Amino acid sequence: AQSVTQPDIHITVSEGASLELRCNYSYGATPYLFWYVQSPGQGLQLLLKYFSGDTLVQGIKGFEAEFKRSQSSFNLRKPSVHWSDAAEYFCAVGAGAGKSTFGDGTTLTVKP
Amino acid sequence: SAVISQKPSRDICQRGTSLTIQCQVDSQVTMMFWYRQQPGQSLTLIATANQGSEATYESGFVIDKFPISRPNLTFSTLTVSNMSPEDSSIYLCSVESQSYGYTFGSGTRLTVV
Repeated sequence: AQSVTQPDIHITVSEGASLELRCNYSYGATPYLFWYVQSPGQGLQLLLKYFSGDTLVQGIKGFEAEFKRSQSSFNLRKPSVHWSDAAEYFCAVGAGAGKSTFGDGTTLTVKP
Repeated sequence: SAVISQKPSRDICQRGTSLTIQCQVDSQVTMMFWYRQQPGQSLTLIATANQGSEATYESGFVIDKFPISRPNLTFSTLTVSNMSPEDSSIYLCSVESQSYGYTFGSGTRLTVV
């Protein structure tokens, strides 16, 4: 069965600092991998996705993620965080056809 | 990607009643998915809804509690039946649209009192 682990429940960074959110997955084949962001009281917005090809994926809002098969990881990065990035971030692994398993989420706080 | 309109956006309901959540997509999609996000937790898939067939439920979810309709390729409803406070959650629909786009509705925040 597929599973996703986001080791960091809560991360605090200063505005302008770099960010890395960790995601480890377990899946028997080449996974579909996703990062979503959820602002307070809002639904989910897809930041980026990996299906195949280039292991460094560019997303919206300046985010990128790198798929590392050897480490079963798909970490999300941003070089310079903005106050508006404060939200909850979910990593998900999909078996295709839209059925995804989500991690427990990482809450990002941005300090001024 | 597809645009999803989900309503109601929030509701407060009495225990023992039922609430039907609607999900309208601006394009035809084969599969629609319903998720639940309990307070402070991640998303859990409830069921997959295909047009013209019964929904497929995940372990721990049953049709009597969460009946789903999928009358056409752009619309689906999820009903939360005989509600209890434990059903207080955010319910989200999701679709897989063309070009492997995965889109979520803005969610329905349900509070059962």
